[in-house]
Amino acid sequence: AQSVAQPEDQVNVAEGNPLTVKCTYSVSGNPYLFWYVQYPNRGLQFLLKYITGDNLVKGSYGFEAEFNKSQTSFHLKKPSALVSDSALYFCAVRDRAAGNKLTFGGGTRVLVKP
Amino acid sequence: KAGVTQTPRYLIKTRGQQVTLSCSPISGHRSVSWYQQTPGQGLQFLFEYFSETQRNKGNFPGRFSGRQFSNSRSEMNVSTLELGDSALYLCASSLDGGREEKLFFGSGTQLSVL
Repeated sequence: AQSVAQPEDQVNVAEGNPLTVKCTYSVSGNPYLFWYVQYPNRGLQFLLKYITGDNLVKGSYGFEAEFNKSQTSFHLKKPSALVSDSALYFCAVRDRAAGNKLTFGGGTRVLVKP
Repeated sequence: KAGVTQTPRYLIKTRGQQVTLSCSPISGHRSVSWYQQTPGQGLQFLFEYFSETQRNKGNFPGRFSGRQFSNSRSEMNVSTLELGDSALYLCASSLDGGREEKLFFGSGTQLSVL
């Protein structure tokens, strides 16, 4: 069965500092990986995805993620965090063997302090 | 283009009652998925519908059911409500539900079971 782990419940970072949100996954085949963000009282918004190709994927709002097959990781990064980046971030994986359903990690709350 | 619309936004029910939630996908999207979000369990996949057929199902009891209409609008029903069914129910749509597709989420229906 496919699974996703986000080891940190919360990440605190000062505005202007680099932001990293960690994600590791487990699938039986080739993973399709996604990051979504959720603001209070809202649904999830797509940030970026890895399907194939370059291991470094660039997405919305200045975010990027690095796919590492040997470490089965897909960490989300932003070089300079903004207060408005404070939100709940979800990593997700899709695998053909799991019928293409999207499995989410538990989420990481990011708090960017001014 | 209008986004994914979920109604109602909030619901309060008592144990034993049943409830129906509605989701209108983005125009042209034929795949609709439903997720349950709770603080303890995170985001859990309920089911996916495509062209009026259930294509995928999560690990939820039979009290949870859904359907999709010819215009791609979807409803989910929960019968014999339990306290543990209190959650944010999110609907998401995509063009065809392919592995590489990103999901577009609605703002959700917050269900409280008393």
